[in-house]
Amino acid sequence: GDSVTQMEGPVTLSEEAFLTINCTYTATGYPSLFWYVQYPGEGLQLLLKATKADDKGSNKGFEATYRKETTSFHLEKGSVQVSDSAVYFCALRGSARQLTFGSGTQLTVLP
Amino acid sequence: NAGVTQTPKFQVLKTGQSMTLQCAQDMNHEYMSWYRQDPGMGLRLIHYSVGAGITDQGEVPNGYNVSRSTTEDFPLRLLSAAPSQTSVYFCASSFGTPGQGAGATNEKLFFGSGTQLSVL
Repeated sequence: GDSVTQMEGPVTLSEEAFLTINCTYTATGYPSLFWYVQYPGEGLQLLLKATKADDKGSNKGFEATYRKETTSFHLEKGSVQVSDSAVYFCALRGSARQLTFGSGTQLTVLP
Repeated sequence: NAGVTQTPKFQVLKTGQSMTLQCAQDMNHEYMSWYRQDPGMGLRLIHYSVGAGITDQGEVPNGYNVSRSTTEDFPLRLLSAAPSQTSVYFCASSFGTPGQGAGATNEKLFFGSGTQLSVL
C-alpha cells in the first residue's frame, strides 16, 4: 500500500537558518504530493503541492520538488523565521484516492 | 469565515461511555472525513463521506460510526470508548471527491482545529 516516510524530529534551528525536511514515498502509479503544516493549537493547512514529476510546489518561501526517480518530495526553505515553528506533514494521494500522511516533523525556530 | 467547526475541543471519557464528536462545515463541501492523530503515526483516516447519505470506511474504522444526513454535518460516534481511542481527532472537508494526478478535482483539505479525547 501507499506510505510516506518523513525524517524524524524534532528539528531545532536558529532564525535565518536553512531548512530541509526529508520525505520519501511508496505508491503505485502517479500520486499527488503535499506538504501540510500544523501550527500550535490549530488544524492542518495545505502548504504546497505537486501533481506530477518534476513539478515544484512553493508557498510562503517554502519549496518542494516532486522527484519520481528518487520517490522524494523534500521540503526546503532558505531562511526560517520564528513564525515557521510548527509540525510539518508530508502526504500523498494515490490510487486509493485518500490522503496518506507521514508521521510529522516538529520544527522549532529560535530567535 | 467559520470553515470547519469541531466540538468539543477537549473531552475526557471513562471506558465504556459513548459520545459524539461534532463536525460542521459551511463551505458546501461534498467530501468530509475524520482522522485521528497519534504520536509518531501521523494522521490516519477513520471514515469519510463523498456526499449526503454516503459514507465509507478508512484505514482505522473499528469502534467508530458515522452518518451524513446533511451536506454540512458529519458526526463521529464512539459507541463504547476504549483507552486505545485516546487521540486527537480532526475533521476535514474538501470541495470535490479526491481524485488522482493532474486531472483531480480540488484536492485541498480544510481541517478543523481538533478534538483532544482522553479515555480513562
